Amino acid sequence: NAGVTQTPKFRVLKTGQSMTLLCAQDMNHEYMYWYRQDPGMGLRLIHYSVGEGTTAKGEVPDGYNVSRLKKQNFLLGLESAAPSQTSVYFCASSLTYVGLAGSFSGEQFFGPGTRLTVL
Amino acid sequence: SQKIEQNSEALNIQEGKTATLTCNYTNYSPAYLQWYRQDPGRGPVFLLLIRENEKEKRKERLKVTFDTTLKQSLFHITASQPADSATYLCALGVSGGYNKLIFGAGTRLAVHP
Repeated sequence: NAGVTQTPKFRVLKTGQSMTLLCAQDMNHEYMYWYRQDPGMGLRLIHYSVGEGTTAKGEVPDGYNVSRLKKQNFLLGLESAAPSQTSVYFCASSLTYVGLAGSFSGEQFFGPGTRLTVL
Repeated sequence: SQKIEQNSEALNIQEGKTATLTCNYTNYSPAYLQWYRQDPGRGPVFLLLIRENEKEKRKERLKVTFDTTLKQSLFHITASQPADSATYLCALGVSGGYNKLIFGAGTRLAVHP
């Protein structure tokens, strides 16, 4: 099992350019997430998906779009990149809901990250 | 406003000692709390979950406590080793929130031989 993979690992864009980050997971997880991580700040949720064909906004969704056409893939798009979007982007996936009891840990499995620089 | 605070300064300890990391939060009512380890240039890796109705959880050399009155979690690594050097992130989960997590900025731990 590869777990969660992200493509590409590094990218440099000019302001106004567009790109798509690809996340793939082979664990048959329902839930998938996109985060950004900036120095001195915690991971911040951009968008998430609770199943194929569904997406929802997270904490910092502006300037990003997502799609989940297949259960194993979650795409993050930047339509018009801005320097403020320079960051490290992480994708994650997890099994379903963590209740008050039960064995599910709600563990999120993270990819290796994509380092994006916008000039 | 809602905040999660972890020590921003690195924690330096001697090998064999117990490392204790703190996670404080305000204006949240988490259903559970998780701790992750992150090595430089890599994604976070899950370590432990503790639910709101649990006081303490252990896993090998790791121990987590959760005090919902103090709004604090403590993360302990006993008999620490240089290989434990990493950044440790706490994350709050809310009930019914599709496992969405709110992360602290993390504390860097350095274990010296």
